[in-house]
Amino acid sequence: SQQGEEDPQALSIQEGENATMNCSYKTSINNLQWYRQNSGRGLVHLILIRSNEREKHSGRLRVTLDTSKKSSSLLITASRAADTASYFCATGRGSNYKLTFGKGTLLTVNP
Amino acid sequence: DGGITQSPKYLFRKEGQNVTLSCEQNLNHDAMYWYRQDPGQGLRLIYYSQIVNDFQKGDIAEGYSVSREKKESFPLTVTSAQKNPTAFYLCASNSGRLADTQYFGPGTRLTVL
Repeated sequence: SQQGEEDPQALSIQEGENATMNCSYKTSINNLQWYRQNSGRGLVHLILIRSNEREKHSGRLRVTLDTSKKSSSLLITASRAADTASYFCATGRGSNYKLTFGKGTLLTVNP
Repeated sequence: DGGITQSPKYLFRKEGQNVTLSCEQNLNHDAMYWYRQDPGQGLRLIYYSQIVNDFQKGDIAEGYSVSREKKESFPLTVTSAQKNPTAFYLCASNSGRLADTQYFGPGTRLTVL
């Protein structure tokens, strides 16, 4: 069953704008991860945030986690055409539980 | 994609045939995973293996089989029992703790003719 659900399903913005994607989940988690997938390619890990963390940064990426609302957001600042991809959240309930992936947000950055 | 290779990139199969998808990693990872991706469905776990000579069914194992004879290799066989095998198949690996970061291969697109 799907644990994470991304919102929106698709997002189209202009180059230079910020892009925000959200992920909601149902059960308590150990960590939440964001992955990126270019069309027809494998997934690439972007960032992992643990349940005791509220915010993490990596370059132009900012991830927040609100465990009380069971939600996370991924912010990409100053987007570029090369950021066009699908973005997935994956939740980990614990070391012995497999990751559960959402259905993804398709981000299109128009030049 | 670094460190994990999948072959072939594209695979065509006639109905009733078994096919085997290759996955190899040189990251010295203990755990390996197979996912299926359909349009709009996200990733669904088929099988995973945390150590050599052991593997576990995922959420959609029916019609698939795997082996883990070597740490580096985790081939997936799509059998004729899989009724709707056309999909994009992704292999991944990690340190062995299921919830840790996973590293993905480039994928194999299987089409049944």
